[in-house]
Amino acid sequence: GESVGLHLPTLSVQEGDNSIINCAYSNSASDYFIWYKQESGKGPQFIIDIRSNMDKRQGQRVTVLLNKTVKHLSLQIAATQPGDSAVYFCAENILKETSGSRLTFGEGTQLTVNP
Amino acid sequence: DTGVSQDPRHKITKRGQNVTFRCDPISEHNRLYWYRQTLGQGPEFLTYFQNEAQLEKSRLLSDRFSAERPKGSFSTLEIQRTEQGDSAMYLCASNPTPIDLVNEQFFGPGTRLTVL
Repeated sequence: GESVGLHLPTLSVQEGDNSIINCAYSNSASDYFIWYKQESGKGPQFIIDIRSNMDKRQGQRVTVLLNKTVKHLSLQIAATQPGDSAVYFCAENILKETSGSRLTFGEGTQLTVNP
Repeated sequence: DTGVSQDPRHKITKRGQNVTFRCDPISEHNRLYWYRQTLGQGPEFLTYFQNEAQLEKSRLLSDRFSAERPKGSFSTLEIQRTEQGDSAMYLCASNPTPIDLVNEQFFGPGTRLTVL
């Protein structure tokens, strides 16, 4: 079936650098996307979302870019801090469907921030 | 802390035993979801409720699994005759009915199940 996947399983950056985490999705019908952060032993924590009618959205130190042409999503974290170390998941949703409640998650990228 | 709580946080059981997990969503949220997450993988959808009605079940939810939300508030997930393959983190999430193309789901801390 169609699913969301991530290009890189691990990413290591220096503190203060910018981080870019990528995600490829295959379901062109997806119309809503979320990035979650998950620290060890905790549930996923919402970071930022984007609708399919947008190509960019900014939050505090984070930016999500959506390229529907190539079905690609990215999360940019500015001035990465040690507290950003976690696994990052992208998830997709198809709100138009009657069963459009489920989020479909990718496998995750482990971000490690080195001091 | 998102406001979604789960109990217990950890459960160790022997194969063949039954286990039950509880989720308390954010009080004003009418939708409640269960996901399962194995090590190194993203969460996988199991089922969701709108108020007390179970509206969708994944094919992952075998006959040994049952979920309830009797009063439209807390929910329970029961696994009967547990198998080692059931070992995973069971996550609960909640949100209001999605509006304006927003479907942010608020996750609890999860219940980690280990089946020996």
